[in-house]
Amino acid sequence: GAVVSQHPSRVICKSGTSVKIECRSLDFQATTMFWYRQFPKQSLMLMATSNEGSKATYEQGVEKDKFLINHASLTLSTLTVTSAHPEDSSFYICSARRSRVTEAFFGQGTRLTVV
Amino acid sequence: AQSVTQLGSHVSVSEGALVLLRCNYSSSVPPYLFWYVQYPNQGLQLLLKYTSAATLVKGINGFEAEFKKSETSFHLTKPSAHMSDAAEYFCAVSDPGGANNLFFGTGTRLTVIP
Repeated sequence: GAVVSQHPSRVICKSGTSVKIECRSLDFQATTMFWYRQFPKQSLMLMATSNEGSKATYEQGVEKDKFLINHASLTLSTLTVTSAHPEDSSFYICSARRSRVTEAFFGQGTRLTVV
Repeated sequence: AQSVTQLGSHVSVSEGALVLLRCNYSSSVPPYLFWYVQYPNQGLQLLLKYTSAATLVKGINGFEAEFKKSETSFHLTKPSAHMSDAAEYFCAVSDPGGANNLFFGTGTRLTVIP
């Protein structure tokens, strides 16, 4: 299957700082990338969908000014958590797909801890 | 709108026993259905998917699932559990005619008892 790489796998930051998480499709061009958030022992909640070259579509309840998503190329999407607070601590997972009719492949996730 | 319900947040089986993880879906259109496995602090790995072809779908690691429209179910099974199967399993549904976003169930944690 296709490979999606997420970096970093773990990050600890101070409250009030910003953190950037990268999601790369290594061996295919991803027209669409998805960002999910997963709380402990819970399911994945879709945060936003991003298509290359256009603005991300955020799910209801997700603050677009806090969770900045950029999909500048067909192989890279970034999620920036701005002015992070302890309640933003979570596991963030991205996925990417070639086209609407193909399956999405998942990154290995990023554990964010805000102290 | 699509959604899935996974019955049982925790399932325990003995090594070598049958694994049965339940998933029921709700969809206004013929759905695509998926089962994913997640190991601790890792992303999701696709086990198998149903995309309107054969109703019995075989996946990796000996898992399979059967799409039953009459029961709106897509239960995951494996004849004989292995210790390495212990993980979190997620059922997901998408609408192939729309944005094709995945909607996940709440997950089932499988414990395999030696």
